[in-house]
Amino acid sequence: GAGVSQSPRYKVAKRGQDVALRCDPISGHVSLFWYQQALGQGPEFLTYFQNEAQLDKSGLPSDRFFAERPEGSVSTLKIQRTQQEDSAVYLCASSLVGTGIIATNEKLFFGSGTQLSVL
Amino acid sequence: AQKITQTQPGMFVQEKEAVTLDCTYDTSDPSYGLFWYKQPSSGEMIFLIYQGSYDQQNATEGRYSLNFQKARKSANLVISASQLGDSAMYFCAMRPFRDDKIIFGKGTRLHILP
Repeated sequence: GAGVSQSPRYKVAKRGQDVALRCDPISGHVSLFWYQQALGQGPEFLTYFQNEAQLDKSGLPSDRFFAERPEGSVSTLKIQRTQQEDSAVYLCASSLVGTGIIATNEKLFFGSGTQLSVL
Repeated sequence: AQKITQTQPGMFVQEKEAVTLDCTYDTSDPSYGLFWYKQPSSGEMIFLIYQGSYDQQNATEGRYSLNFQKARKSANLVISASQLGDSAMYFCAMRPFRDDKIIFGKGTRLHILP
């Protein structure tokens, strides 16, 4: 597609439910990032994929959070046993280049996000 | 630790005036990239401008320019001739080249007044 697509746009979950958030990056983009954005705050890094390899998951807040990108394109962020503090916008972003190299003008393309509300 | 600081939570500016959004950063990495993103109420993050730490000249993109002062670790965004459509959240961000993640500041909410 022309841009990064995320679904669903909105998700309401009862506390304790599992949720799965989907990200379709721009075709051919090597890098894929997940960020969590609380209301009124900047995005906080969750995890990073280079193709299908998850190279950094240091930002995942707990072992209830799990992300995958099995074929190096679509990615899913799964949150198990959701808690109220998980309520946030989850942003996915992709980039043409892989990190670990010096890119003169790397650019992250973001999706519109999934707004998760845990009741 | 890497850190981005945006000290202006909100700003009100008259239409057609220039506006400067402040950003300071902290990193021990000698090479890094600096970014500004705009986030309108729709929620999408829109890339505005990029500055590499090794760039000698300040970056410019149309009405946007980045006032890069390396010694002060400052990367302020300047918007010339502001427009009503510039009203949004603005985030400063940085990626040390050794790292894989871009880190963001807390943002500045800009309001353009007619």
